[in-house]
Amino acid sequence: AQSVTQPDARVTVSEGASLQLRCKYSYFGTPYLFWYVQYPRQGLQLLLKYYPGDPVVQGVNGFEAEFSKSNSSFHLRKASVHWSDWAVYFCAVSRTNAYKVIFGKGTHLHVLP
Amino acid sequence: GALVYQYPRRTICKSGTSMRMECQAVGFQATSVAWYRQSPQKTFELIALSTVNSAIKYEQNFTQEKFPISHPNLSFSSMTVLNAYLEDRGLYLCGATDWGSQNTLYFGAGTRLSVL
Repeated sequence: AQSVTQPDARVTVSEGASLQLRCKYSYFGTPYLFWYVQYPRQGLQLLLKYYPGDPVVQGVNGFEAEFSKSNSSFHLRKASVHWSDWAVYFCAVSRTNAYKVIFGKGTHLHVLP
Repeated sequence: GALVYQYPRRTICKSGTSMRMECQAVGFQATSVAWYRQSPQKTFELIALSTVNSAIKYEQNFTQEKFPISHPNLSFSSMTVLNAYLEDRGLYLCGATDWGSQNTLYFGAGTRLSVL
């Protein structure tokens, strides 16, 4: 069965520092992978998405993620974190030709001034 | 761009009563609509997936009898929480996609349900 694991429930970084949020997926076949962000008291916004192709995908607000088939990972990165990035980040996976998206439990990102 | 609107944003209902929430897709055709629930301290649970010209598929632990869904056209869907109790509280999200978006779900801001 497909699943997503975000091993870090909470990550704290200083503003201006680099960031990596980890995501591991368990999947049979070729996955579609996504990162969504949930700002306080809001719904989900799409940051970026991966379809089979270039393993590094660029998203909004300077975020990028790298797909690794060998590691079954899809980690999210940002070179310099801003205070407005304070939010919960969700990694998600779906199967090709299907619209069922499975979410990880989320990683709370805290940004220190 | 693709936008999804949900209303109401917040609602409170008495225990044992029902509550209907709506989802509107703007700028694209919502061929598939997925309803999720985010309970306190939990991730997003898929309730059901509705695809045009197909039967609505409910996930384990969710039933049509409890969460009836309507998806009458390519821009609108609604879901009702029947006989709501405390365990039904949470943020209900509607995610919509079209055939051309390669499984990308565009979400609304959600309907937050509180149960008294």
